[in-house]
Amino acid sequence: AQSVAQPEDQVNVAEGNPLTVKCTYSVSGNPYLFWYVQYPNRGLQFLLKYITGDNLVKGSYGFEAEFNKSQTSFHLKKPSALVSDSALYFCAVRDIIGSSNTGKLIFGQGTTLQVKP
Amino acid sequence: EAQVTQNPRYLITVTGKKLTVTCSQNMNHEYMSWYRQDPGLGLRQIYYSMNVEVTDKGDVPEGYKVSRKEKRNFPLILESPSPNQTSLYFCASSGGQAGWANVLTFGAGSRLTVL
Repeated sequence: AQSVAQPEDQVNVAEGNPLTVKCTYSVSGNPYLFWYVQYPNRGLQFLLKYITGDNLVKGSYGFEAEFNKSQTSFHLKKPSALVSDSALYFCAVRDIIGSSNTGKLIFGQGTTLQVKP
Repeated sequence: EAQVTQNPRYLITVTGKKLTVTCSQNMNHEYMSWYRQDPGLGLRQIYYSMNVEVTDKGDVPEGYKVSRKEKRNFPLILESPSPNQTSLYFCASSGGQAGWANVLTFGAGSRLTVL
């Protein structure tokens, strides 16, 4: 069964420093991976996705993610963190049952990013 | 504005009192889905719908019902709510019948408390 894991409940970083939010995955077949962000009292917003191709995926708000097949990881990164980046971040993988695509995303448990001034 | 609209945003109810959380999208999306979010568990799918009149169970369907009578609406029904259904609920939609690799657009969420 497909799964994703976010090993850190919280990541703290100072404004202006680079940030990394970690995600590892377990899938059968090719992984389709996503990152979403949730701001307080808001729904999830799409940041970026990896389907195929270049291992470095660029997304919204200056975020990028690096797909590493050998390490089964899909870490979210940003070169210079902003206080406004503070939010809850979710990694997700598309679920496939047999050869069927149910459209379901399997989410990690989420990582809270705290950027301090 | 393209969006998914959920109502109510906040609700406190009592055990056994039937309630419906409405969800509507204005993007002509084929695919719609309901998730619940619980601390430490991430989001888990309750039900999904590939198209009008086509619905199927997700990972945690017990205690919930859905219907998809028209493309834009996908209400979530709790026939007899129980305290373990206290949660934050999200409706989401995507274009393309199978939602294949398509981005989900989420509503703002409905926080439900069952006493």
